[in-house]
Amino acid sequence: GDSVTQMEGPVTLSEEAFLTINCTYTATGYPSLFWYVQYPGEGLQLLLKATKADDKGSNKGFEATYRKETTSFHLEKGSVQVSDSAVYFCALRKFYRNEKLTFGTGTRLTIIP
Amino acid sequence: DVKVTQSSRYLVKRTGEKVFLECVQDMDHENMFWYRQDPGLGLRLIYFSYDVKMKEKGDIPEGYSVSREKKERFSLILESASTNQTSMYLCASSRSPGTSGTTLETQYFGPGTRLLVL
Repeated sequence: GDSVTQMEGPVTLSEEAFLTINCTYTATGYPSLFWYVQYPGEGLQLLLKATKADDKGSNKGFEATYRKETTSFHLEKGSVQVSDSAVYFCALRKFYRNEKLTFGTGTRLTIIP
Repeated sequence: DVKVTQSSRYLVKRTGEKVFLECVQDMDHENMFWYRQDPGLGLRLIYFSYDVKMKEKGDIPEGYSVSREKKERFSLILESASTNQTSMYLCASSRSPGTSGTTLETQYFGPGTRLLVL
């Protein structure tokens, strides 16, 4: 079945460091790929998405490129801030009427000043 | 803005109790979902519904049931709560493919209900 594998956490970085959170997937067909973010005490919010190979999703300085050849969707940011501290989830969706998402296990990111 | 609300942020129940978790969305979305979130396991889908009175099992439906009598409301029911159902429960909604708008693929999440079963 479909699955998403995420970089194990937790990840701790200093402010202004470069961030990479790895995500790879296993799925038949052509899934859409997503990164969701969960800030402390809140539900999940969509951070960015990509719907086909070579698409780049971007938002709030974060980027991820859909790489079909390596089945990856790694999240990157050039200079992290304390406010980026959160849990990040990679997810995939294959087309169903119900838009079912398959999530990775999440990566907790902590940014220290 | 889309808003998904959940009836409680925190709940404490005893083993064997019947528990109701309520979720309401205000954007006329067709699809609604219940997930549980556990450390190291991410989010796992319990049940989903793509229309009123319609429901389908997700990946871990055992011990749960759902009800969708109105489009905006999706309830998760623990018939007889057990300690292994202690978790964070997240509700989400989304528009169905084929309808207009820019939110075709976005699931909107509520803030979650943290349930402790003693």
